[in-house]
Amino acid sequence: EVQLVESGGGLVQPGGSLRLSCVVSGFTFSNYAMSWVRQAPGKGLEWFSHISGSGGTTHYTDSVRGRFTISRDNSKNTLYLRMNILRAEDTAVYFCAKSSDYSNDVFDHCGQGTLVTVSS
Amino acid sequence: EIVLTQSPATLSLSPGERATLSCRASQSVSSNLAWYQQKPGQAPRLLIYDVSNRATGIPARFSGSGSGTDFTLTISSLEPEDFVVYYCQQRSSWPLTFGGGTKVEIK
Repeated sequence: EVQLVESGGGLVQPGGSLRLSCVVSGFTFSNYAMSWVRQAPGKGLEWFSHISGSGGTTHYTDSVRGRFTISRDNSKNTLYLRMNILRAEDTAVYFCAKSSDYSNDVFDHCGQGTLVTVSS
Repeated sequence: EIVLTQSPATLSLSPGERATLSCRASQSVSSNLAWYQQKPGQAPRLLIYDVSNRATGIPARFSGSGSGTDFTLTISSLEPEDFVVYYCQQRSSWPLTFGGGTKVEIK
């Protein structure tokens, strides 16, 4: 059974930093690209970061580029997100998402999400 | 950035009725369009990928169609559990983008 479990969310002050983790099981982690998707309270879904299976290729949306860093440790079956210079608008539930077997960059499994709240 | 516009924002229907949800792209995404369902407090669930292919375990009442810039998700006969929010997503170019969502509510 495929499982993705995020952790590391919490309350942080504006300008602060946080690192999220996503531990996966039930599939060969290194074979799949992964993404982070977030959802602000009461709002829609927003993709913002992608990493290839090897970790050699990353993509970001403009709003997080230069502040957030996606990485992975395939030996630990873990995806990471380092978030710096956090802003109030980064407040959201953060989901890690697995690229599907069907086609890249379509997500067939997501974790339950971890809430990040940026507030003073 | 490709903008996906979903309509209507809210669709009010009764169980057993047919639901037709629209997703329009600001430029062609070819066949690189997926649909997700999201229940309150849960992660999104993949329904349809590449316009018209159902993901594993998705009931046949869900179908997708379209090409280029105009896409449709159809639910042939609404079940009580279908009254939730639906999102389209394109993977044609970076950044990946989602539509704003359509909420299907009970009339």
